[in-house]
Amino acid sequence: KQEVTQIPAALSVPEGENLVLNCSFTDSAIYNLQWFRQDPGKGLTSLLLIQSSQREQTSGRLNASLDKSSGRSTLYIAASQPGDSATYLCAGGANAGNNRKLIWGLGTSLGVNP
Amino acid sequence: DAGVIQSPRHEVTEMGQEVTLRCKPISGHNSLFWYRQTMMRGLELLIYFNNNVPIDDSGMPEDRFSAKMPNASFSTLKIQPSEPRDSAVYFCASSLADRPYEQYFGPGTRLTVT
Repeated sequence: KQEVTQIPAALSVPEGENLVLNCSFTDSAIYNLQWFRQDPGKGLTSLLLIQSSQREQTSGRLNASLDKSSGRSTLYIAASQPGDSATYLCAGGANAGNNRKLIWGLGTSLGVNP
Repeated sequence: DAGVIQSPRHEVTEMGQEVTLRCKPISGHNSLFWYRQTMMRGLELLIYFNNNVPIDDSGMPEDRFSAKMPNASFSTLKIQPSEPRDSAVYFCASSLADRPYEQYFGPGTRLTVT
């Protein structure tokens, strides 16, 4: 069974701190990895998508890495701000013939304290 | 573009009643996904369509759930009869068929069954 695990489930940091969110997956059929952000009462917004041929993607203060051999991805947030407070979900892209879907982790709830 | 539109945003109903959730995907997107999100199980894919055709409905929990996509701009998810354990947030997402992992999410419908 394909599984995606996120650690920690919750994290609270002071403003300005650099932090790392972790995601691991068990199935080599997951060949891309995506990080999403979810604000309370809202839908999900994609932050970064790392294709299987890539090792990392960067957007502003965010950097996501992918290591398929170890089944791990990390999301690095530099100089965290209160506006970064949200739940961050990782999702692996699975491909089984014509069936292409995302396998989701449970998320990490991040609080950045001013 | 208005993004993915879902209605209603909130639904409170009594056990045994029929519930219909609605979704309008982004114009031009030809894949549509229905998800359910709960605290315990996270985000679960219920069903997805390509070009209005269901591709994978293995996530539909039981026969009480049904989904239709009569045209490219509209989909419904129906629960009949509803039960308290169906209480969750239901998300609709859409994408281009050749980019199934680049999904755009609606704001969700929060369903409460009493």
